[in-house]
Amino acid sequence: DSGVTQTPKHLITATGQRVTLRCSPRSGDLSVYWYQQSLDQGLQFLIQYYNGEERAKGNILERFSAQQFPDLHSELNLSSLELGDSALYFCASSVAQGLAGETQYFGPGTRLLVL
Amino acid sequence: GNSVTQMEGPVTLSEEAFLTINCTYTATGYPSLFWYVQYPGEGLQLLLKATKADDKGSNKGFEATYRKETTSFHLEKGSVQVSDSAVYFCASVMNYGGSQGNLIFGKGTKLSVKP
Repeated sequence: DSGVTQTPKHLITATGQRVTLRCSPRSGDLSVYWYQQSLDQGLQFLIQYYNGEERAKGNILERFSAQQFPDLHSELNLSSLELGDSALYFCASSVAQGLAGETQYFGPGTRLLVL
Repeated sequence: GNSVTQMEGPVTLSEEAFLTINCTYTATGYPSLFWYVQYPGEGLQLLLKATKADDKGSNKGFEATYRKETTSFHLEKGSVQVSDSAVYFCASVMNYGGSQGNLIFGKGTKLSVKP
């Protein structure tokens, strides 16, 4: 158990809908990262928040957004869902900004299926 | 840009065989390097890491050495077990500056160990 929790574990929804994925980092960790794992794209970085502020952005679609709250939990919002958004979404956390070999600890993931 | 390339799988071995999974990286600068493992139905777990050239990471019988001259971080284990069956991901992250702290992953190598 990494100490990172994600809810829900599974999500099934329809095209055009909007969903929210939730992540609670390990106690004391200030950074939260979101990654998408799909068969065709592999594991891709979406976005990082550090202590409530957006720190880095990867290949995140405009239909997707995230935020980190004062209690440091984070939510990833996916809207206008398409079939191709079906994937496993991982959250990870680290103690600081993620540089210099800092370890990122991963949650169990949320499996999203868009029908 | 920065990238990680690892050998294509799947890799099938008999129990007690020697394992090598190749990983090479490209980076502007000197990254930290990681191996993560994903067991079926689970999230990613850190297996080992190395933060600078010539460092050797090791854990659970697995080893990898950071080779700057060949930009490689190959994963090895002398005697695999059935319980090592999983998908292995090589990853890098930059160590400094304005670079992002996100992990850049290889495509993953699926290992199956037969009794």
